[in-house]
Amino acid sequence: AQSVAQPEDQVNVAEGNPLTVKCTYSVSGNPYLFWYVQYPNRGLQFLLKYITGDNLVKGSYGFEAEFNKSQTSFHLKKPSALVSDSALYFCAVSFTGGGNKLTFGTGTQLKVEL
Amino acid sequence: EAGVVQSPRYKIIEKKQPVAFWCNPISGHNTLYWYLQNLGQGPELLIRYENEEAVDDSQLPKDRFSAERLKGVDSTLKIQPAELGDSAVYLCASSLGPGNTEAFFGQGTRLTVV
Repeated sequence: AQSVAQPEDQVNVAEGNPLTVKCTYSVSGNPYLFWYVQYPNRGLQFLLKYITGDNLVKGSYGFEAEFNKSQTSFHLKKPSALVSDSALYFCAVSFTGGGNKLTFGTGTQLKVEL
Repeated sequence: EAGVVQSPRYKIIEKKQPVAFWCNPISGHNTLYWYLQNLGQGPELLIRYENEEAVDDSQLPKDRFSAERLKGVDSTLKIQPAELGDSAVYLCASSLGPGNTEAFFGQGTRLTVV
């Protein structure tokens, strides 16, 4: 079984400030973790992934995420938020031995204000 | 390189009518997913194909939903008959195959059942 939790429905941050969008997961093997972003009336766009190796992974548009095995978390971060980052963010997980089944969280709406 | 192509983008039908959605995945991608996304929610897997074989259809309401992926390339998802509660966005995605590779999404088909 596999599951993803995004505990915050919405995150508000001022432009220029750092942002964090939280994600925790549960899998029965080694996890593969992904972040996607969705703009209104658009499909999901891939941001970054953790497969193995360094716990800090860097992705598109200046985003990065930190894998923490002990806390089973994979929080998305950005040092300086932009208004254009405002969107819906989804965390997703698959795992070794789980085939290619990709399970998504419920999403976090990020709002960056001037 | 062309992305995942879905059609139609929008569909409005009366309840009890049939409807079909089409998806053309990225060339060479063996894994194809159909997801359902309700407004403001995370995508929920309906069915996953590995080549032409449906390997995970446990969440597909088989009394009214059907899907096929002939020749392991294009795929169609059908609903017959449609119900009011089927109104949602239907997303198609594809990936190279292994669980550690990211999925690429189409723009989705927004279905409204009236």
